[in-house]
This record gives sequence, structure tokens and C-alpha cells, in this order.
Amino acid sequence: GDSVTQMEGPVTLSEEAFLTINCTYTATGYPSLFWYVQYPGEGLQLLLKATKADDKGSNKGFEATYRKETTSFHLEKGSVQVSDSAVYFCALSVPRGSARQLTFGSGTQLTVLP
Amino acid sequence: GAVVSQHPSRVICKSGTSVKIECRSLDFQATTMFWYRQFPKQSLMLMATSNEGSKATYEQGVEKDKFLINHASLTLSTLTVTSAHPEDSSFYICSATGGLNTEAFFGQGTRLTVV
Repeated sequence: GDSVTQMEGPVTLSEEAFLTINCTYTATGYPSLFWYVQYPGEGLQLLLKATKADDKGSNKGFEATYRKETTSFHLEKGSVQVSDSAVYFCALSVPRGSARQLTFGSGTQLTVLP
Repeated sequence: GAVVSQHPSRVICKSGTSVKIECRSLDFQATTMFWYRQFPKQSLMLMATSNEGSKATYEQGVEKDKFLINHASLTLSTLTVTSAHPEDSSFYICSATGGLNTEAFFGQGTRLTVV
């Protein structure tokens, strides 16, 4: 079945440090790939996505590239801020019925210290 | 983006009682809603998929008689945990989507504690 393996946390960085959160996947067919972010006390928000191989998703300084050859979708940011502290989820989706079903990684807690 | 409101955010109940969790799409019509469960430090596990006006589709291993899902309108789905036990304590989260190629929007989640 479909699955997502995500780098375990927690991850603690100083402000302006470089961030990488690894994500690899297994899926049948051609999934779309996502990064979601969950801030304390809030629901999951879509951070970025990529729908086909070699696509790069980007938002708020975060980037991830859909690598079919390595089945990866690693999240990167060149300079993190305290406000980036949150839990990050890697996910894939495949069509199922009338909607696309999401499969999530375990989440990575990021804490950025001033 | 669109807003999905989930209520309550936290609930504590006694063993043997039932708890209802609501998931509402506030500014769009949600043709499909998903219910997830998350154990500490684990993935969100899909429990069931519900389409408005039809019976929910449950994932393997999820007891449909214990986790009752109703999706009676395009803006509301409910999850009722019946005869709750301490092992049902978990974080439950819903998402809603308006169609096959539209983004899924998530509720804030509900922390259920059964004592």
C-alpha cells in the first residue's frame, strides 16, 4: 500500500539556520506530494505541493522537489524563523472515488530558538 | 483558504458513554469529508471517507458500529464514538474537500480522553 516515511523529530534549530526535513514515499501510480504544517492549536494547513516528477513546490521560503528516481520530497528552507516552529507533515495523495485520499507521514516537530 | 471548523477541541468523557464530534465547512460545499485518528508521535491514520448523502467507507480495521459517521449535508459531518473506552483516547481530525482535484482543508482536531 501507499506509505510516507518522514524524518523523526523533534528538530531544534537556531534562528536563520538551514532546515531539511527528509521525506520518502512508496505509492502505486503517480501520486501528488504535499507538505502540511500544523501550528499549535490549529488545523493542518497546506504549505506546498507538487503534482508530477521534477516539479518544485514553494511557499513562504520553503521548497521541496518531487524526485521520482529517489521517491523523495524533502522539505528545505534556507533561513528559518521562530515563527516557523510547528509540526510538519509530508503526505501523498492518490485518486479515490470522488476525492483524493491523503496518506501522511508521522510528522516532524520543529522548534526554532531565537 | 477555506475554513473547516471542528468541535469540540477537547473532550473528556467516562467509559461507556458516547461522544459526538462535528466537522463543518464554513464557506464551501464539502462533497467529501475524511476522518483521521492520530496517536502520539504517529501518522494521521485514515478512519473513513464520507460522501454527502451516502454511507461512509471505513478503512480496514475500523469498527463502523463503534465510530458512527454521518454526512447529512454538504457542510456537516459528524463522528460519534459509541461506548467509549480508554483505548479510544486519541486525537481525531477531519478534512473536507469539494471535489477530486481540489485541496483538502482540515479542522483543528479534537483531543478525546476517556476516563
